[in-house]
Amino acid sequence: EAQVTQNPRYLITVTGKKLTVTCSQNMNHEYMSWYRQDPGLGLRQIYYSMNVEVTDKGDVPEGYKVSRKEKRNFPLILESPSPNQTSLYFCASSLSPTSGWETQYFGPGTRLLVL
Amino acid sequence: AQSVSQHNHHVILSEAASLELGCNYSYGGTVNLFWYVQYPGQHLQLLLKYFSGDPLVKGIKGFEAEFIKSKFSFNLRKPSVQWSDTAEYFCAVTVYSSASKIIFGSGTRLSIRP
Repeated sequence: EAQVTQNPRYLITVTGKKLTVTCSQNMNHEYMSWYRQDPGLGLRQIYYSMNVEVTDKGDVPEGYKVSRKEKRNFPLILESPSPNQTSLYFCASSLSPTSGWETQYFGPGTRLLVL
Repeated sequence: AQSVSQHNHHVILSEAASLELGCNYSYGGTVNLFWYVQYPGQHLQLLLKYFSGDPLVKGIKGFEAEFIKSKFSFNLRKPSVQWSDTAEYFCAVTVYSSASKIIFGSGTRLSIRP
């Protein structure tokens, strides 16, 4: 089954404690992206990756890091989480960002609470 | 900068009522347009998309949207809503000037009274 998976689905942590949210897709997609969803603000793009070892900042990259060492995985790293990073995070992937903008497939979301 | 506006933050309708959710974008060039739906507790799913051709696009579950280029709009419609349509709806735009970027609107919460 074609899917995007994220782990963990729920996470409570404390300020400053490094964490990683994993994202994996099994569709051989080139393009992967991270979003955060906050009430009244919709989805905002954090980082995206056009392919292995190619990443770039989205609209709200501050406080986040990503890596793309393999095509299927695109982890989101919070080196020193702060309460304003409490949010719902979605990973997404699509076949290619340039071939007519393929549909993005979204993961189930990770709800993060930073105390 | 490109942006997407969804002016209706919360819409409440009775079952069988007709629905129209507004979406306007700001960009003068070629765009691709999407509507996504997020049911309570679930992730986003694509309802429909417009890339080119017929500006009236039909999606899943009886939804349709019309691209009006002169108005920079891509409104979502459904002639008769059901209780199961209760969800949050997001309009999104991608622009050819930065092909890797997709911009989402802030979302419209739709509540259907049974």
